[in-house]
Amino acid sequence: GAVVSQHPSWVICKSGTSVKIECRSLDFQATTMFWYRQFPKQSLMLMATSNEGSKATYEQGVEKDKFLINHASLTLSTLTVTSAHPEDSSFYICSAKPTLRSYTFGSGTRLTVV
Amino acid sequence: AQTVTQSQPEMSVQEAETVTLSCTYDTSENNYYLFWYKQPPSRQMILVIRQEAYKQQNATENRFSVNFQKAAKSFSLKISDSQLGDTAMYFCAFMKMWDYGGSQGNLIFGKGTKLSVKP
Repeated sequence: GAVVSQHPSWVICKSGTSVKIECRSLDFQATTMFWYRQFPKQSLMLMATSNEGSKATYEQGVEKDKFLINHASLTLSTLTVTSAHPEDSSFYICSAKPTLRSYTFGSGTRLTVV
Repeated sequence: AQTVTQSQPEMSVQEAETVTLSCTYDTSENNYYLFWYKQPPSRQMILVIRQEAYKQQNATENRFSVNFQKAAKSFSLKISDSQLGDTAMYFCAFMKMWDYGGSQGNLIFGKGTKLSVKP
């Protein structure tokens, strides 16, 4: 089946540094990828939708200058958390749609900012 | 805007028993998909079952089945013969069907139900 590979699975960084999270579609082309954020014991909240070759669409309240999204190819989308702070600590998950009616999720990235 | 409501934050069931998780949603759309996803402690999102709104027949996948009531905007998940491996968070999700000329739809999730299967 369709697979989305997400790396790293976990990362610890110092406050003020930047962290990049990658999501790759391994056996299909993903013109669109979705980035979600999940706080402990909470649901997934859509942060942004990345489109190959164009600017990402951010949800209301998400700082686009802090969460930089790049979707330069049909198989790779990246989320960079810039100048990370402890409040950015969370679980980040990407997903893509191999077909119009199905989703495939990455395995998630646990970010801890110290 | 679409909303998804799961009113049961936590549930428990004995192994081999049957449990039903509730989900209601609100939308003005007529064509959409509904999903149940499972998130075990590994936090990998796993599709449990999908229902197309235009289909009257309830979807089933082995021990998992849904009760889809379109008029009532209700979409419950029934797990039969519960197994220890069913212990997980369960999320109900909504997706607007492809809108030609528009963008691909994203998933809208409920807050989840934590299911514990007890031996």
